[in-house]
Amino acid sequence: DQQVKQNSPSLSVQEGRISILNCDYTNSMFDYFLWYKKYPAEGPTFLISISSIKDKNEDGRFTVFLNKSAKHLSLHIVPSQPGDSAVYFCAARTFFGNEKLTFGTGTRLTIIP
Amino acid sequence: NAGVTQTPKFRVLKTGQSMTLLCAQDMNHEYMYWYRQDPGMGLRLIHYSVGEGTTAKGEVPDGYNVSRLKKQNFLLGLESAAPSQTSVYFCASIPGQGNQPQHFGDGTRLSIL
Repeated sequence: DQQVKQNSPSLSVQEGRISILNCDYTNSMFDYFLWYKKYPAEGPTFLISISSIKDKNEDGRFTVFLNKSAKHLSLHIVPSQPGDSAVYFCAARTFFGNEKLTFGTGTRLTIIP
Repeated sequence: NAGVTQTPKFRVLKTGQSMTLLCAQDMNHEYMYWYRQDPGMGLRLIHYSVGEGTTAKGEVPDGYNVSRLKKQNFLLGLESAAPSQTSVYFCASIPGQGNQPQHFGDGTRLSIL
């Protein structure tokens, strides 16, 4: 039972345009959501997060949107840069879950120069 | 300040052999986690620990054991390796409860022949 889903395995975007990565979840007990970025042969690195009490969080070029009624979150990257090419994982946590994260399957983003 | 360090980085085992993966963190974090990453599956939690001397099962614990004898170290053991355990293993840690992202090591690539 995949509680966190990333339905697009891959995405290609022109440099300078907006990249939108999507994530859906099924567990209504999730209260904290994160996006991680992963380069080959490296561990995931934290990118941005959002608490369930908010619907938007911004950090520079990165914005995460949360739609709780739709159980959907998205990551917007604008403008996209070649260094953004990586695999992006969304993850979610329940409040009483010992900080365990449930990860999606990842989306490989390729920025085309 | 090394963060989260995993050793070894690569290992090839024969079916039935045993080995231990070491995760060390120098951030005085309370909580530590072991994940495996397989193609198309995202990261799945194997075992975790919420403090020295404690361990708990995650989503896919079968075939693995763990120990947390020292706060800074979290060991993952394979008693009798099987080809299905061929994967990339990641360790992560966080200070404790609260809205904080997990910090990951760079992974151990394990092949079981």
